[in-house]
Amino acid sequence: ETGVTQTPRHLVMGMTNKKSLKCEQHLGHNAMYWYKQSAKKPLELMFVYNFKEQTENNSVPSRFSPECPNSSHLFLHLHTLQPEDSALYLCASSQDTLGSIEQFFGPGTRLTVL
Amino acid sequence: AQKITQTQPGMFVQEKEAVTLDCTYDTSDQSYGLFWYKQPSSGEMIFLIYQGSYDEQNATEGRYSLNFQKARKSANLVISASQLGDSAMYFCAMSGFTGGGNKLTFGTGTQLKVEL
Repeated sequence: ETGVTQTPRHLVMGMTNKKSLKCEQHLGHNAMYWYKQSAKKPLELMFVYNFKEQTENNSVPSRFSPECPNSSHLFLHLHTLQPEDSALYLCASSQDTLGSIEQFFGPGTRLTVL
Repeated sequence: AQKITQTQPGMFVQEKEAVTLDCTYDTSDQSYGLFWYKQPSSGEMIFLIYQGSYDEQNATEGRYSLNFQKARKSANLVISASQLGDSAMYFCAMSGFTGGGNKLTFGTGTQLKVEL
């Protein structure tokens, strides 16, 4: 595997379900990001982790819970979501959040909340 | 706060022609970076080109060039010799340093369609 991978690619869940999105980067990077992409809106940064520490929570509702067990893996735990949370969730990584600025993105998870 | 504006929701270009995608930005930072990403229908964001605010020359990467006009705060993407595979969504973004580190701010994107 190379680059940034995300699983699952598609997810349909009910509002009472609990599910998790997984992101893995094979680039030796130290920073990882979660973005939300809704139709006709700019990408919204949700969370940033640098060296496994959360450095940014962009006022994300608590029904989204991130986890970063190591620099290569990032999870987004989902529970009691709302239909308006349906979107493409993109994971990205970069060397770190200080010097390097180019971010590499995964293919995204298309989430539908019924 | 940083802001990226892309005023063209959709663009059409004929194959082999050149096309310019517009991007203007607003920031109070002295040092920043400007990026263009391509997003095909598959969803993945593909990095195309980068321009640093202190770079004097416009960035070029193959068929992509960035027309950087600092005084006008614009960073337009020029794609030369368009190909059918260039049909995708294109996002302009800029980096800025906040208390939490470097962040990217994205525009709303331009949907490019290349026609025969």
